[in-house]
Amino acid sequence: EIVLTQSPGTLSLSPGERATLSCRASQSVSSSYLAWYQQKPGQAPRLLIYGASSRATGIPDRFSGSGSGTDFTLTISRLEPEDFAVYYCQQYGSSPVTFGQGTKLEIK
Amino acid sequence: QVQLQESGPGLVKPSQTLSLTCTVSGGSISSGGYYWSWIRQHPGKGLEWIGYIYYSGSTYYNPSLKSRVTISVDTSKNQFSLKLSSVTAADTAVYYCARAVDTAMFDYWGQGTLVTVSS
Repeated sequence: EIVLTQSPGTLSLSPGERATLSCRASQSVSSSYLAWYQQKPGQAPRLLIYGASSRATGIPDRFSGSGSGTDFTLTISRLEPEDFAVYYCQQYGSSPVTFGQGTKLEIK
Repeated sequence: QVQLQESGPGLVKPSQTLSLTCTVSGGSISSGGYYWSWIRQHPGKGLEWIGYIYYSGSTYYNPSLKSRVTISVDTSKNQFSLKLSSVTAADTAVYYCARAVDTAMFDYWGQGTLVTVSS
């Protein structure tokens, strides 16, 4: 199975700053079948990005995804207070689908 | 707007079978192109895909759990269900049901239900 490693484990930033989250796969993710989710405490994950770079319905354009092969990035251009949460990447290019261990984005 | 809601016991004894049901509203479970899924999250940990089912009954399971998992669908009730047998404390987790777009990304999720395995 494909192992996804997210870095950093925790990212401390201030509102208004730019956040860059990384997701590295143990083998190439076919057709850039990679998604990103946001999870807040006590809530289910929320789909942000699919196909590595396509925003899901209703997701603000400050969220963007990029990458291919084994290296993917989620960028939040200007952090809003509601963006502080845990972010997960997920690959669906090969079975079983797998998730990264998460990056916690916290307020500095 | 599609909504999913998990239901079932919050406490299961070791060696018994965990059983959960997900009720789908705002859309038909028989709509083509979607796979109905179970995902779990151990306390304070990441996400683990358990498996999914198509409305026709075709199933796909995570190999790590395959020997203990059964997912079924009841299209007349717009529900799908999870059974996980021979549970241990390691199966204590929040269990989510979710809709997968063509075995891909998960676009709608239930709120999750905590299942604790303890005697």
